[in-house]
Amino acid sequence: DVKVTQSSRYLVKRTGEKVFLECVQDMDHENMFWYRQDPGLGLRLIYFSYDVKMKEKGDIPEGYSVSREKKERFSLILESASTNQTSMYLCASSTHSNQPQHFGDGTRLSIL
Amino acid sequence: GENVEQHPSTLSVQEGDSAVIKCTYSDSASNYFPWYKQELGKRPQLIIDIRSNVGEKKDQRIAVTLNKTAKHFSLHITETQPEDSAVYFCAGQVAGFKTIFGAGTRLFVKA
Repeated sequence: DVKVTQSSRYLVKRTGEKVFLECVQDMDHENMFWYRQDPGLGLRLIYFSYDVKMKEKGDIPEGYSVSREKKERFSLILESASTNQTSMYLCASSTHSNQPQHFGDGTRLSIL
Repeated sequence: GENVEQHPSTLSVQEGDSAVIKCTYSDSASNYFPWYKQELGKRPQLIIDIRSNVGEKKDQRIAVTLNKTAKHFSLHITETQPEDSAVYFCAGQVAGFKTIFGAGTRLFVKA
């Protein structure tokens, strides 16, 4: 069974801090994704990656960056956290195009 | 830009009744349409998916239909049970890897 692991379930940070959210998958999947989930807005794509060291902007990349140095790990970085980045962050992976995504348990991030 | 609209946002049904959730998409190049179920406090999980070369797919009590001409697809759950209560997300995949999600439907099944 595919396992997507996010490093923290809950995280509290302060405005202006640099925040790292880590995601690891164990199924050798090519594609990895970062979403944020807010009530009434569904899942919005922040960034995705289809290969090591490759990244593509999603719909809401502003204020975020990503890193994929190894195939199994995809990191989301909040360069300077702001209160409007308080949200649930979900990581996902998939084998390739037109295949379902497997999600992690999510990180609920609060920026104070 | 690409968009997936999902209706209704909330749906309440009596146990044993059917539930239908509808989605429309804007990009005619979309060719893969998964549905995810998210129970409270848990991760979204795939329940069924359909590809653009198929009009209907069924898996026990769950079915999905796709109308490419009208650019809409629907989830049908028959004989609903309390454990079907969750948030359901439709999605459309466009241009390779990018997946656009609907806003979600919160389904309540009353016992």
